Amino acid sequence: ELKVEQNPLFLSMQEGKNYTIYCNYSTTSDRLYWYRQDPGKSLESLFVLLSNGAVKQEGRLMASLDTKARLSTLHITAAVHDLSATYFCAVVTGANNLFFGTGTRLTVIP
Amino acid sequence: NAGVTQTPKFRILKIGQSMTLQCAQDMNHNYMYWYRQDPGMGLKLIYYSVGAGITDKGEVPNGYNVSRSTTEDFPLRLELAAPSQTSVYFCASSTRGAEGDTEAFFGQGTRLTVV
Repeated sequence: ELKVEQNPLFLSMQEGKNYTIYCNYSTTSDRLYWYRQDPGKSLESLFVLLSNGAVKQEGRLMASLDTKARLSTLHITAAVHDLSATYFCAVVTGANNLFFGTGTRLTVIP
Repeated sequence: NAGVTQTPKFRILKIGQSMTLQCAQDMNHNYMYWYRQDPGMGLKLIYYSVGAGITDKGEVPNGYNVSRSTTEDFPLRLELAAPSQTSVYFCASSTRGAEGDTEAFFGQGTRLTVV
């Protein structure tokens, strides 16, 4: 059974601080996605990681993928309040399906 | 662009009632999906379709049915609604790019309560 685990599940951090969210998965996959979800809203695509060693950055967020370790990270630099949301990683299987992690609820406090 | 459109946005059902959640996409995507999201949890795949006329079960298909008669539409049918089906339902569609990327686009969700 495919498992996609994120940690931490909850993260409260001060503005200006750095932190990393981890996503571990149990199957072979070379494609991983990060999504953001605001309360009561749909999912917004953040990053598409397509190969081992892939690194993508957008603003204060940077995502990386290590397919050998089956690990992806989402690094937050100098957090601001607008980054408060729930972040999901999702692994793509051979059937082109997305399997989601449980999510990390991030709260950035002044 | 409309993208992925779900209707209704909200619905309250009584136990044992049936309903159909509608999903339509205008991006000519082959792949379509139905997920459910329970409070504070991630998304779980209910059913998916790789093209018109082809559907398959995901992680949590019990209590649901789907059909895919056209590329655009992928309705989800709930028969004999149960309180355990109280959830937010998301429809998504995707296509496979030349580099193997699979960006999924999500609808706005249907919040279903079964009482």
